[in-house]
Amino acid sequence: DAKTTQPNSMESNEEEPVHLPCNHSTISGTDYIHWYRQLPSQGPEYVIHGLTSNVNNRMASLAIAEDRKSSTLILHRATLRDAAVYYCILSAVYNFNKFYFGSGTKLNVKP
Amino acid sequence: DAGVIQSPRHEVTEMGQEVTLRCKPISGHNSLFWYRQTMMRGLELLIYFNNNVPIDDSGMPEDRFSAKMPNASFSTLKIQPSEPRDSAVYFCASSTRYRGGRNTEAFFGQGTRLTVV
Repeated sequence: DAKTTQPNSMESNEEEPVHLPCNHSTISGTDYIHWYRQLPSQGPEYVIHGLTSNVNNRMASLAIAEDRKSSTLILHRATLRDAAVYYCILSAVYNFNKFYFGSGTKLNVKP
Repeated sequence: DAGVIQSPRHEVTEMGQEVTLRCKPISGHNSLFWYRQTMMRGLELLIYFNNNVPIDDSGMPEDRFSAKMPNASFSTLKIQPSEPRDSAVYFCASSTRYRGGRNTEAFFGQGTRLTVV
């Protein structure tokens, strides 16, 4: 499975937008891009996923580069509850939820 | 729905003892995953079931680990004998895989924190 590269940590101010980058230069044409986050002492939870086009949902937006070698998760207004480890994961379409997690980005939100 | 339910939430056992972790997936989901999380190795996929059948167990560390899914609403992960290096948080996740390729997202349980002393 293709690997992803994320910064170890990022910091944001409350109520400001946050852009979390992810590089996946070895992505294949049928790989989906998933984002999950893990709040302290909880299991990972789904944030968003996409294939080629940008995606929006109630939690976040996903911007996918035209060559698909990178993507950015956008939290439009960070809250304290958004402090978590964010994982960018690739999976093949035939193993849609079979994930190999990396180390993720630990997001700290300052009040 | 109550989500993915794992039990127990915490387990402390002595080295050499058998440990059984339990998972109840979300009703209607047909895919189930077991993951293990440690500080050193992060989140690791152990095994993946689809329609109660193990599809990929390549992540199972060794023969001391075994997983079963006797029906669509229950799965177990057993460690026998347990060792201190098995100490970790074990997560179960479920999702639905539809014919034609569409899938729901994965829903994770709260995890079981296992400590082997």
